[in-house]
Amino acid sequence: DVKVTQSSRYLVKRTGEKVFLECVQDMDHENMFWYRQDPGLGLRLIYFSYDVKMKEKGDIPEGYSVSREKKERFSLILESASTNQTSMYLCASSSDGENSPLHFGNGTRLTVT
Amino acid sequence: AQSVSQHNHHVILSEAASLELGCNYSYGGTVNLFWYVQYPGQHLQLLLKYFSGDPLVKGIKGFEAEFIKSKFSFNLRKPSVQWSDTAEYFCAVTPLNSGYSTLTFGKGTMLLVSP
Repeated sequence: DVKVTQSSRYLVKRTGEKVFLECVQDMDHENMFWYRQDPGLGLRLIYFSYDVKMKEKGDIPEGYSVSREKKERFSLILESASTNQTSMYLCASSSDGENSPLHFGNGTRLTVT
Repeated sequence: AQSVSQHNHHVILSEAASLELGCNYSYGGTVNLFWYVQYPGQHLQLLLKYFSGDPLVKGIKGFEAEFIKSKFSFNLRKPSVQWSDTAEYFCAVTPLNSGYSTLTFGKGTMLLVSP
């Protein structure tokens, strides 16, 4: 069974801190994604990656960056956390195969104070 | 760009009641359609999907959805809900063969089933 693991379930950070959210998948998937989930807004794509060292902006990349140095790991970076980045962050992965499903991690609830 | 509209933000039902959650999308071309579910404290998981073929799609846990192209709709149904169906449900759409980078989610419907 595919496992997408997000390193922290809950995180509390102060405004201006640099924050790293880590995601690891164990199925050798090519594609990885970072979403944020907010009540009443659904899921919005922040960044995605189709390969190692490759990254593409999603719908709401402002204030975020990503890193994919290894195929199994996709990190989301908040260079200087702000209170409007308080949210639930979801990582997901998929393979390149046709009709392959999207697998989600359990999420990291980040609070920026 | 495509968009997805889910008709209800919150739905409250009693056990054994029938469920229908509305989902409409806007996009001029052919699409792939999905319903995801997030149970309390759990990760988002796929309920069912439509790529092509029979527009009536059956998913896990007795859920089904019907794709009506003329109405741009993909409503989720279950004839008799259980307390364990309490969850948040998301409809999502992506243009055909575009991959998940263009997957657009609806705002979600929170379903509460009372025992």
